[in-house]
Amino acid sequence: EVQLVESGGGLVQPGGSLRLSCTASGFTFSTYWMSWVRQAPGKGLEWVANIKLDGSEKYYVDSVKGRFTISRDNARNSLYLQMNSLRAEDTAVYYCAREMSPRGAFDIWGQGTMVTVSS
Amino acid sequence: SYEVTQPPSVSVSPGQTASITCSGDKLGDRFASWYQQKPGQSPVLVIYQDSKRPSGIPERISGSNSGNTATLTISGTQAMDEADYYCQAWGSGAAVFGGGTKLTVL
Repeated sequence: EVQLVESGGGLVQPGGSLRLSCTASGFTFSTYWMSWVRQAPGKGLEWVANIKLDGSEKYYVDSVKGRFTISRDNARNSLYLQMNSLRAEDTAVYYCAREMSPRGAFDIWGQGTMVTVSS
Repeated sequence: SYEVTQPPSVSVSPGQTASITCSGDKLGDRFASWYQQKPGQSPVLVIYQDSKRPSGIPERISGSNSGNTATLTISGTQAMDEADYYCQAWGSGAAVFGGGTKLTVL
C-alpha cells in the first residue's frame, strides 16, 4: 500500500523549533519530488515547500523562507521539515504529499501532524 | 506571486450538477488540479492535468480549463460529494491553492 506517515508535531513556544518527519512506503521514494502542505485550523491549504529527487533543489513559500528547511533521506524513505523561529501563524496541520510529476498534482497525502505554536 | 480564486460556497440539490470555478490570470496556460477534503480527513486528488481522473474517482467528476478559468463539474451530485474542494496550480516555483469551496448538497 502506498502510504505517507507524518510525525513530530506538537506544542512549541513562539521562537522555538520543531522537526517534522514523513516516512514513505509502497513506492520508490527516491523517484518523486515531495512537498509539505499545511492547513491552519478552519482555513484552506497552503503549500510550504518542496524538494527534488536528490535534494539538489528546494523551494519555499515566502512566509517560511529563512526559517524552515526541507530535506530528505532516500535511504530511509524519509522527508523532513526543520522549522525554526516558529510563530503563532505557523500553527497548522502539516501534510507531506507526493508530486505525481515534477510540479504536478499531489496524488498521495499523509494523515497530517498538528503543530501548535503558543505560549 | 500567482493566485487562484474560488467561490467560498456552492449549493446543489441531490442529483443535479454542481460546478465549482477557479480563476487565475491565464490559468488555461497551466495545469489545474482539484482536491476533495471531507471534515477531519486529508485531501484527496480528484482531477489532475485539468481533466484527468485518478484511479477510483467516479466518471461523474470531471474538469476543464480554458482562458482564465478552471471548472470542476460533479454530475448527479450525491450526499457523499459534500466536502471542501480546492483547486491548485503552479506559479513560479511555488504551488498555489485556491481558498477552497464548500459544496453543500441540500
